[in-house]
Amino acid sequence: EPEVTQTPSHQVTQMGQEVILRCVPISNHLYFYWYRQILGQKVEFLVSFYNNEISEKSEIFDDQFSVERPDGSNFTLKIRSTKLEDSAMYFCASNYRGRGTEAFFGQGTRLTVV
Amino acid sequence: QKEVEQNSGPLSVPEGAIASLNCTYSDRGSQSFFWYRQYSGKSPELIMFIYSNGDKEDGRFTAQLNKASQYVSLLIRDSQPSDSATYLCASGGGADGLTFGKGTHLIIQP
Repeated sequence: EPEVTQTPSHQVTQMGQEVILRCVPISNHLYFYWYRQILGQKVEFLVSFYNNEISEKSEIFDDQFSVERPDGSNFTLKIRSTKLEDSAMYFCASNYRGRGTEAFFGQGTRLTVV
Repeated sequence: QKEVEQNSGPLSVPEGAIASLNCTYSDRGSQSFFWYRQYSGKSPELIMFIYSNGDKEDGRFTAQLNKASQYVSLLIRDSQPSDSATYLCASGGGADGLTFGKGTHLIIQP
């Protein structure tokens, strides 16, 4: 069964460093997303990506964040100058048609900023 | 501001009974609603989606949507210990992404 895959599963980084989280969406899906879940809190939408550009972004997704689809399979989230409060689970998701279709989530990357 | 509200629980249900999970949403324009299950430390796993008023059944799961009341529910019949998890209600999708509730922690007691 096709699945969304994310790497790494756990990343520890020092405050101020840059990190890149990687995702391979399901191959025939067209919409890609990043979500964040701080420990004990709700899953929060960060950004959506369609046709090689950002479709929507939340207030959380400020200039510290960027996304890219560097090739035909990978979808990345870059966090520049990480802060302690960036520590969270980051989930990548994809779906086929966007509105009205279910999104499938990767297993997540646990980011710990120390 | 789009909001999805859930009772955080825990909701404790005996094995074999029906578990009833509820959710309300603030955006009257929302068209699509989803139930995800999340085990501790894991990613959300889709259980069901519903777009139309009424009931939708899939195996032991029934989703119910009432757009007039802005209310979504999930019924789990014949609850099993493996159903113990946090259940996330979400609305939206598309470019805006999903708006999640905080989830209801369900405990199935053997």
